[in-house]
Amino acid sequence: DAGITQSPRYKITETGRQVTLMCHQTWSHSYMFWYRQDLGHGLRLIYYSAAADITDKGEVPDGYVVSRSKTENFPLTLESATRSQTSVYFCASSDEVGTAEAFFGQGTRLTVV
Amino acid sequence: SQQGEEDPQALSIQEGENATMNCSYKTSINNLQWYRQNSGRGLVHLILIRSNEREKHSGRLRVTLDTSKKSSSLLITASRAADTASYFCADSSGSARQLTFGSGTQLTVLP
Repeated sequence: DAGITQSPRYKITETGRQVTLMCHQTWSHSYMFWYRQDLGHGLRLIYYSAAADITDKGEVPDGYVVSRSKTENFPLTLESATRSQTSVYFCASSDEVGTAEAFFGQGTRLTVV
Repeated sequence: SQQGEEDPQALSIQEGENATMNCSYKTSINNLQWYRQNSGRGLVHLILIRSNEREKHSGRLRVTLDTSKKSSSLLITASRAADTASYFCADSSGSARQLTFGSGTQLTVLP
């Protein structure tokens, strides 16, 4: 199916564990983004990627790692999860950055206990 | 840091009424976009207005942009219960052109 999909939809993990959130898009969009959404903060950009093997930090990158070996995939890894990383994570993709609409996945609700 | 800030934070209206949401931003923008988020879902793009445009329409949506006041408004006419959602403005500024989102307006349309 065409679109952008995130997995898993829900994840509970323990403090200190490594967890990877997956994001896959079928449009071959150049740009991909990871946001986190918390009450009172709206969406905050964690990392973004302009193309395969090109990634850059956003507003809140600490504690996260990304990679983009293929255009269609943009996984987000929490190397050692903390309770403050409990959030809803959204992946998005776009043909251009900032000048065209972004397409969002359905989100991953992550709880760190 | 957040660039756009929506006002009000929450809005409750009756079906058939118009809903107006405002967004303010701090620095010069390339364009401004509005998104809708239904509960538990991802964001969906509604409309994009460029910095050299003052008004744009799409169906029941009307967006205005006032660059002198660094503000934008989203008007939804003849609202429906299905319009109940959170609405976010997102601006693109600077050389990086990343989208920066506000904290959103929660709109409730009562049947």
